[in-house]
Amino acid sequence: DGGITQSPKYLFRKEGQNVTLSCEQNLNHDAMYWYRQDPGQGLRLIYYSQIVNDFQKGDIAEGYSVSREKKESFPLTVTSAQKNPTAFYLCASRDRARDNEQFFGPGTRLTVL
Amino acid sequence: DAKTTQPPSMDCAEGRAANLPCNHSTISGNEYVYWYRQIHSQGPQYIIHGLKNNETNEMASLIITEDRKSSTLILPHATLRDTAVYYCIVRVAPRHNQGGKLIFGQGTELSVKP
Repeated sequence: DGGITQSPKYLFRKEGQNVTLSCEQNLNHDAMYWYRQDPGQGLRLIYYSQIVNDFQKGDIAEGYSVSREKKESFPLTVTSAQKNPTAFYLCASRDRARDNEQFFGPGTRLTVL
Repeated sequence: DAKTTQPPSMDCAEGRAANLPCNHSTISGNEYVYWYRQIHSQGPQYIIHGLKNNETNEMASLIITEDRKSSTLILPHATLRDTAVYYCIVRVAPRHNQGGKLIFGQGTELSVKP
């Protein structure tokens, strides 16, 4: 089955610890995205990558870092510098050759204690 | 990207059509209207998009007014599984939009009731 996987679905960390969220896709999509969602709110873009070894900051990149060493993978690190890290994190990918939709993963709910 | 306005919530009876409105009065000529939905605690799902003609697919129909300042998403026979938050997004085609970014508002929470 083709799709996007995010793991784990629920993640708990202590305050002050960095944590890395996984995002993998086997859709052969060039572009990948990370969004954050807070309760009752829409999604906000953290980082995006259009090709391997390249990525750009989104609207709320502070306190986050990413890498894109492989086409299939776009991990997001939530650093201790992120002041309010508890949120629902969503990864998405898109085929750059087509003007169509983004495909979203199931999300990871991060809780920082 | 143009701003959109949607009602915060709507109810619909199961089996009836659900008509979800969206205002985008500042839309420009090269901007598309996209609809996504998000079932609770899941990732958003693409539904449909259009530029100026009405569009239909297996999930829904999209009606865009002639002046393109508003649109309506129609779910012809709503089921309980259609209960979700529906997002209307206006943006240029990804090839013109740096990175193909989506800007999500707060959407409309549709509750389909038996």
